[in-house]
Formats: sequence, C-alpha cells, structure tokens
Amino acid sequence: AQSVTQPDIHITVSEGASLELRCNYSYGATPYLFWYVQSPGQGLQLLLKYFSGDTLVQGIKGFEAEFKRSQSSFNLRKPSVHWSDAAEYFCAVGAGNTGFQKLVFGTGTRLLVSP
Amino acid sequence: GAVVSQHPSRVICKSGTSVKIECRSLDFQATTMFWYRQFPKQSLMLMATSNEGSKATYEQGVEKDKFLINHASLTLSTLTVTSAHPEDSSFYICSASASGGPSTDTQYFGPGTRLTVL
Repeated sequence: AQSVTQPDIHITVSEGASLELRCNYSYGATPYLFWYVQSPGQGLQLLLKYFSGDTLVQGIKGFEAEFKRSQSSFNLRKPSVHWSDAAEYFCAVGAGNTGFQKLVFGTGTRLLVSP
Repeated sequence: GAVVSQHPSRVICKSGTSVKIECRSLDFQATTMFWYRQFPKQSLMLMATSNEGSKATYEQGVEKDKFLINHASLTLSTLTVTSAHPEDSSFYICSASASGGPSTDTQYFGPGTRLTVL
C-alpha cells in the first residue's frame, strides 16, 4: 500500500529565503506524485505533479520539486519565499491513473513566513 | 479550467438532522468524484469514490448508510450526512477528475464545506 511521510509538521522561513519541504513516499511501482497547497479554510490547489520523464518538475507560483527514486523522495522547493506562501502543504502519492484512483496524502507541513 | 465548486461552504445543523453537500465540476465533465474528510490540523482521508451512474465505493471504516453519496450526472455529486452527530463535525472536501482530454490523471479539489453539528 502507498504511504507518504512529511517529517516536518511546521517550518518557519524568513521572507525572501529559500524553502525546501520534504516528502518521502512508499510505493512498489512508479508513483504518481503531487504537491498541493491549502490556505486556511480552503480546498486544495495543485502546485505540481510528476508522472514520468524529467525528474525536476516546475509548478505554479515559482515552486519546483525533484523526484529522486533512490531516496523515495519528492521534495518541494522555492528559491525565494513570499509572505503569501504561508499555508499548509500536502504531498500525495497515487497509483496509476489517479484521475480514477485514490490519492494518499501526507500529514502536511505548515509553512510560516516571518518578516 | 478544471474548477470544482461546493455548496454550502459552511453549514451548522442540529444533532439528528441530515445535511446535503453538493460538489459540482463547473467546466468539465467528471467521470469520477472523490469525497474526503479533514479533521483540524490533519490530513485528508478519503471517504469514498463515486463514478457517474454507479454506486459509490466506500473506504474501510466509512459507514455507507450514514454518508450517502449520489453521482447522478457528470457534473454533480452529493454527500448526505444522515442523522448527524457532533462527531461528524469536520471539513468535507470533494475532488473530481475530468473524462477525456489531458486532465484525466489529476484530481481537482473543491473549496470544502465546514460542517458543524450542535
């Protein structure tokens, strides 16, 4: 069965500093990997996804993530954080065509941005 | 594109009553819709998967008689919480995947519905 670990519950980053949010997954085959962002009281917005091909994936809002099969990781990065990036970030893994199959989510990392 | 709406955004009801939550795909046809539940400061837990015109598939531990799901059209799925109790208070989020086109492999999420049962 798939599982996702986000080891950091909270992260505080100064505005303008770089960011890396960690995500490790467990899945026997090639995973479909996603990062979503959730603002307070809101639904989830897709930041980026990896299915195959180039292991460095570019997303919206200046985010990118790198798939590392040897480390079972899919860490999210941003070179310069803005105050509006403060939110909850969820990594998720799916099997096969995730339009029709369930996603398994990590427990989330809350990003706080300090002035 | 790929916008999903939910209604209502917030609902407060008395214990023992039933509440219906709607999930609509606004600009695409959703063959499959998913219902998730999220407790405060926790992750999303899948409750059920529904395909248009068929019965929903519930995850283990989810009471299908309590959480009624109907996916009557390609743009609408409803979740009815029957005989709601305070422990059903939660944030309910739906997602939908598009049939056909390049977005069949991605779920698009609605903004969620905050249910409070008094």
